Amino acid sequence: DSGVTQTPKHLITATGQRVTLRCSPRSGDLSVYWYQQSLDQGLQFLIQYYNGEERAKGNILERFSAQQFPDLHSELNLSSLELGDSALYFCASSGSRDSASETQYFGPGTRLLVL
Amino acid sequence: AQSVSQHNHHVILSEAASLELGCNYSYGGTVNLFWYVQYPGQHLQLLLKYFSGDPLVKGIKGFEAEFIKSKFSFNLRKPSVQWSDTAEYFCAVNRGGTASKLTFGTGTRLQVTL
Repeated sequence: DSGVTQTPKHLITATGQRVTLRCSPRSGDLSVYWYQQSLDQGLQFLIQYYNGEERAKGNILERFSAQQFPDLHSELNLSSLELGDSALYFCASSGSRDSASETQYFGPGTRLLVL
Repeated sequence: AQSVSQHNHHVILSEAASLELGCNYSYGGTVNLFWYVQYPGQHLQLLLKYFSGDPLVKGIKGFEAEFIKSKFSFNLRKPSVQWSDTAEYFCAVNRGGTASKLTFGTGTRLQVTL
């Protein structure tokens, strides 16, 4: 158990819908990262928040957005869903310093299936 | 943009065989390098990482990796694999400093047979 929790574990929805994925980081971690793992694209970085503020952006679609709340949990919002958004979405967290050498601890992921 | 290549997509080994998984990255500046493992049905776990110092890094479960800067490589090794090492292995890199977002390779699926 990494200490990072993600809900829900599984999500099945229809095209055009909107979903929210939730992540709680390890106790004391200030950074939260979102990654998407799909068969064709592999594991791709989406976005990072550090202490409530957006820190870095990767290949995140405009239909996707995220935020980090004062209690440091984060939510990833996916809207106007398409079949190709079906993937495993991982959240990771890292420690109190904004440093690239810090280990990222991954949650169990949310498996999204868009029908 | 930086990229990470893992040349072996699927490796099948017998128990007690030696393992070496290749990883090459494209970025020329300061990097931090990581190997993560994903056991079936589980989350990604860190095996080992390199950010400075001795280029030979030892990790958990008997794994090690060697950073060879001139070859832009960070290959993972284990002298004798066990059935329980069956998993998917991912190499990842970030640029150091505060640029902590990880770029992952495509992963290598390791299957260890009894």
